[in-house]
Amino acid sequence: SQTIHQWPATLVQPVGSPLSLECTVEGTSNPNLYWYRQAAGRGLQLLFYSVGIGQISSEVPQNLSASRPQDRQFILSSKKLLLSDSGFYLCAWSVAGSGTDTQYFGPGTRLTVL
Amino acid sequence: AQSVTQPDIHITVSEGASLELRCNYSYGATPYLFWYVQSPGQGLQLLLKYFSGDTLVQGIKGFEAEFKRSQSSFNLRKPSVHWSDAAEYFCAVAPYGGSQGNLIFGKGTKLSVKP
Repeated sequence: SQTIHQWPATLVQPVGSPLSLECTVEGTSNPNLYWYRQAAGRGLQLLFYSVGIGQISSEVPQNLSASRPQDRQFILSSKKLLLSDSGFYLCAWSVAGSGTDTQYFGPGTRLTVL
Repeated sequence: AQSVTQPDIHITVSEGASLELRCNYSYGATPYLFWYVQSPGQGLQLLLKYFSGDTLVQGIKGFEAEFKRSQSSFNLRKPSVHWSDAAEYFCAVAPYGGSQGNLIFGKGTKLSVKP
């Protein structure tokens, strides 16, 4: 069966510091991968998605970036965090080309920027 | 532009009572429709989904949802709520139906359950 991991689970970082969040998927090949941010009262905001290694699409311009160095690894980064980057970050995957678009979510990372 | 509206931000029901969470979408064609549940501090878990066919779909944990094309709605129901159902519920739409798989989420409905 497929599983999705995210780490760290929680993170407290000062403003201006770098960020690296990691997401890995097991039990499937060539998944579509997604990064979402969830801020209080604002629902889920799609940040990035990837349909393959090195292929990243950005949905929202910001100081965050994403990379996919391996088939089942998706990384969210920032060079300098802002206060507004605080939130709950969720990674998700779906079966490429399935036509069903069902996404399966990881446990999330709670980021607090002070 | 496609959108999903969950008009109720917070709902409180008594344990054992029935539940209906509302979801309306805006999209020209019939989209793929989903309901997810999120417990505090956790990721999202898929409850059920509708792609085509029977407009009443059954999901996990005793939930069901009905697609009504004429009302552009996909409301979630449960006949008898349990205290463990307290969580936040998200309705989502996939407007493309292709491998891109981008979902549009509503802002969620928080469910509280009274003993």
